[in-house]
Order: sequence, then C-alpha cells, then structure tokens
Amino acid sequence: DAKTTQPTSMDCAEGRAANLPCNHSTISGNEYVYWYRQIHSQGPQYIIHGLKNNETNEMASLIITEDRKSSTLILPHATLRDTAVYYCIVRVGHNQGGKLIFGQGTELSVKP
Amino acid sequence: GAVVSQHPSWVICKSGTSVKIECRSLDFQATTMFWYRQFPKQSLMLMATSNEGSKATYEQGVEKDKFLINHASLTLSTLTVTSAHPEDSSFYICSARDHRPGTGGYEQYFGPGTRLTVT
Repeated sequence: DAKTTQPTSMDCAEGRAANLPCNHSTISGNEYVYWYRQIHSQGPQYIIHGLKNNETNEMASLIITEDRKSSTLILPHATLRDTAVYYCIVRVGHNQGGKLIFGQGTELSVKP
Repeated sequence: GAVVSQHPSWVICKSGTSVKIECRSLDFQATTMFWYRQFPKQSLMLMATSNEGSKATYEQGVEKDKFLINHASLTLSTLTVTSAHPEDSSFYICSARDHRPGTGGYEQYFGPGTRLTVT
C-alpha cells in the first residue's frame, strides 16, 4: 500500500473550516484514500473515503486532486469536539479487502 | 455505522499471567478482524489479521506464540496475551470488516480499545 505524508500538527479556530492535507504521490490506480480520526484514548472513527471523485458526507468533504497524488479533508465548521488525530490512509481494493496501515497522522487542535 | 465492542475496556494483571481480550461485532458479521496495538503518543500498529475459521496472519515482528488470536465465529475474535510482561502494557484495539459488500464495499470499524497494564 502507498505511503502517506501528513503535517504533524495543525491548529484551527472554532467555527472555521479545517483543511487537512495529505500527500500520497505513489498511490496506485486501485487504491482508495481513507480518512479516520482518533480522539484521545478511543478507537479510530471512520470519516470518509474516495477513489478519484470528491466526496462529501455529514462529517466532512474529501477533495482529491486530478492526478490523485494528494488530497484534502475539510471539516467545514470545526468544533472543539473535532480535536483529534486525523489519519489519511491509502488502501488497496475497496472490495478486495486491503489492510489499513496507519501513519503518524495530523494532530488537529481546535481552539476557542 | 456498525458497532464493534471490546471487553474489558481496561485490565491490570501481574507479570507472567495471561490476559484475554474479546472483540465483538454487534450488528454485523465480520469474516475478517484485525488487532492493533498503540503505545502512548504513537500511531496504531497492525499486529495481525484473523479470518473466521482459519489461523491468523501476523505482521512481521509480532510473536504469534505470545499473542494468540482466535476467530471462532463471525462476530467474535479474541486476543490472548500470554505470559504478559510490563513491556506488553499498551492500548489494544480491534477492528472488524463488515461481511456485507453493499454499495460501500467492505467497510472496517474499530472497537473502543482495551488498555492493558502489566505490573
């Protein structure tokens, strides 16, 4: 599975949009981009995933560049509860059952 | 989303004893479950993949005789830490893959984790 690079930490003001970048320049054509987050001392929570089109759900939006070498997770109106470590993961085969391998992630701090 | 539970949520044991951690998928069947370990201020590390009815596949560097995994049914996997030592103290997290392909493919859900402290 391709490796991802994320900034170690980011700050965001409460109520503003949080834009979390992820670089996955070696991604293969059959690999999906997944985003999970982990709030302190809890299990990871699924946020969103995509292959090449932009995706949106009730939690976030995922913007994937046309060449698929990078993506951005957008939390449109960050709240204090969004403070967590955010992991960007690329995984083989949405229907082929690849493993989720976690990198170091981005520690997002939402401040009042 | 689907729910994965773990039991116990925390456990303290003496060095040399064995500890069993249960992982259950509550509202779906999971043909595949995963076990991760997380040390303080570090990311999750995949330990092993278990498929129902077959032997687990361990990641490189993980001792299979020390971390026994049993996936006896489509809703239950157990991790037994045998002869635990203080260095085994960690946060253990299981994950289950939804058996139903659906339009979203095989999604993977995580349990809340089990904090193991070995004294």
